[in-house]
Amino acid sequence: KAGVTQTPRYLIKTRGQQVTLSCSPISGHRSVSWYQQTPGQGLQFLFEYFSETQRNKGNFPGRFSGRQFSNSRSEMNVSTLELGDSALYLCASSSGGATENIQYFGAGTRLSVL
Amino acid sequence: GENVEQHPSTLSVQEGDSAVIKCTYSDSASNYFPWYKQELGKGPQLIIDIRSNVGEKKDQRIAVTLNKTAKHFSLHITETQPEDSAVYFCAATLSGSARQLTFGSGTQLTVLP
Repeated sequence: KAGVTQTPRYLIKTRGQQVTLSCSPISGHRSVSWYQQTPGQGLQFLFEYFSETQRNKGNFPGRFSGRQFSNSRSEMNVSTLELGDSALYLCASSSGGATENIQYFGAGTRLSVL
Repeated sequence: GENVEQHPSTLSVQEGDSAVIKCTYSDSASNYFPWYKQELGKGPQLIIDIRSNVGEKKDQRIAVTLNKTAKHFSLHITETQPEDSAVYFCAATLSGSARQLTFGSGTQLTVLP
């Protein structure tokens, strides 16, 4: 079974631009969560999508948004990029049952904002 | 919200020795506690987890213990090997937010040959 696939692996953008990251979950999984990892703040939850609906949202500004498609693939978008948005963005896949906690992570997308 | 503290931030052990990493959480409503291992250039990999109705869980050389009263949980790795060298993260989730993980700050484990 293929794991969680994130594309692209690396991105370089400049301040003010916007960026879209993609995540394909494990086949059959319906939940996708996004996390931001930085040396200063560590791993922080951004949001979770299940059956095309946002279920939970972390404490990030509205510049961070996401969506999920009917095939469970998810995208996250960051608009008006700031230097502080430079981070590793991780996607996690879960089967999505109400009490199903187990999440499997992709390798991440490394975003550098210049 | 939930807050998870993790100690130590770095840990060096000799090959074959044991390693222990400790975490405390703030919200008594937390009910799921996974541990992840992250190697350079890779995403976090789930290595073991425990739920709030269990006090201890073991998987070969790895074990996790949970003390709900004290609100802390620990990762124990026995007979460490060089390939155990990585960053380890503890995490917790609140009941009702099954997949919203709050992570600890991580422990860089180095196993010296």
